[in-house]
Amino acid sequence: KAGVTQTPRYLIKTRGQQVTLSCSPISGHRSVSWYQQTPGQGLQFLFEYFSETQRNKGNFPGRFSGRQFSNSRSEMNVSTLELGDSALYLCVSSLEAGQNPYEQYFGPGTRLTVT
Amino acid sequence: SQQGEEDPQALSIQEGENATMNCSYKTSINNLQWYRQNSGRGLVHLILIRSNEREKHSGRLRVTLDTSKKSSSLLITASRAADTASYFCATPGYALNFGKGTSLLVTP
Repeated sequence: KAGVTQTPRYLIKTRGQQVTLSCSPISGHRSVSWYQQTPGQGLQFLFEYFSETQRNKGNFPGRFSGRQFSNSRSEMNVSTLELGDSALYLCVSSLEAGQNPYEQYFGPGTRLTVT
Repeated sequence: SQQGEEDPQALSIQEGENATMNCSYKTSINNLQWYRQNSGRGLVHLILIRSNEREKHSGRLRVTLDTSKKSSSLLITASRAADTASYFCATPGYALNFGKGTSLLVTP
């Protein structure tokens, strides 16, 4: 079956703009989590959605938001972009909520560059 | 927040050699996981070791866990160029808590 799809794969934005990233989980998976990866901070958890509800949220400012649709596809939005938002944004698809590692699949990521 | 810390940050070896990476963590856990990431792409789950296990094998991978020292190690035997990647340990919580990773370079 098809893997996790993230679009776009690469994105360049200017400070102050906003951006929306999309993630399509594996068919049948209902949980989507988002992580930010930077050289300085490493992998940091942003939020998790399950059945259109945000279940958990990491320690990020309100400029970072997300949502999940009824087909389990998820989007994350970053408003008023800052240089420090440049990162690889990873989506994780899983069957159920929680952290069963055998059921978690990472997408290829969206590389966001803020100039 | 990060829980695991890998050591070394970078490792360069030749094909055929063994690569050992270490991970230390801070709080009690019920399992610890290792992931691989190839050049800025998504992570791939390698192996999970539970808190009641001391050692676990998967192919050329060997993972140990010492809960008294809050540490784990990942050994890759007979390394290949294709093993070049970053390796992360992760501990569970409401989200996975990753270390900053060990960057492994295997040269032919």
